[in-house]
Amino acid sequence: NAGVTQTPKFQVLKTGQSMTLQCAQDMNHEYMSWYRQDPGMGLRLIHYSVGAGITDQGEVPNGYNVSRSTTEDFPLRLLSAAPSQTSVYFCASSSSGGTETQYFGPGTRLLVL
Amino acid sequence: SQQGEEDPQALSIQEGENATMNCSYKTSINNLQWYRQNSGRGLVHLILIRSNEREKHSGRLRVTLDTSKKSSSLLITASRAADTASYFCATVTGFQKLVFGTGTRLLVSP
Repeated sequence: NAGVTQTPKFQVLKTGQSMTLQCAQDMNHEYMSWYRQDPGMGLRLIHYSVGAGITDQGEVPNGYNVSRSTTEDFPLRLLSAAPSQTSVYFCASSSSGGTETQYFGPGTRLLVL
Repeated sequence: SQQGEEDPQALSIQEGENATMNCSYKTSINNLQWYRQNSGRGLVHLILIRSNEREKHSGRLRVTLDTSKKSSSLLITASRAADTASYFCATVTGFQKLVFGTGTRLLVSP
């Protein structure tokens, strides 16, 4: 199993550009989530999904959209990138919801100029 | 808002020594989890302790939980250079949401 995969590994955007961060898992996990990690801030939950077709907001959802059309994939969209969105983004999945062990991807480092 | 705060923020020890990290949180929890993050990598789950448990072990790891003090500790015994990483506690307070602390950076020197 590849586990949780994320693409791209690194991306540079200009302010106002849009992009999609990809996340996929091959463990048949129902629960998937997106976090951002900033220096000194730990990880903060952006959006999460408890299954295909169901998404909900986390702690810092503004500026981000998500959808969940399949169990495997959970893309994160930035519609109009801002410098404040410069961060490292992690996708995670779990078989037992957000309250149990999370399996993390390797992360996407995003720089918005 | 951060639920958990780790202490110390940074810890430097020699190989073979024990490392202790603490996590304090603000509200009642369902469970508390510890994760490790190597530089530039994703987080790896280490151990989960539920609110009705007081202590758990996994290999060289020992986690304690004191719900009356709203605190947890992670002890790594006989540290190795490979234990060098950042360690995060994460608390579960509400449905489907994990809240992470700011982490402790551990450096284990040979």
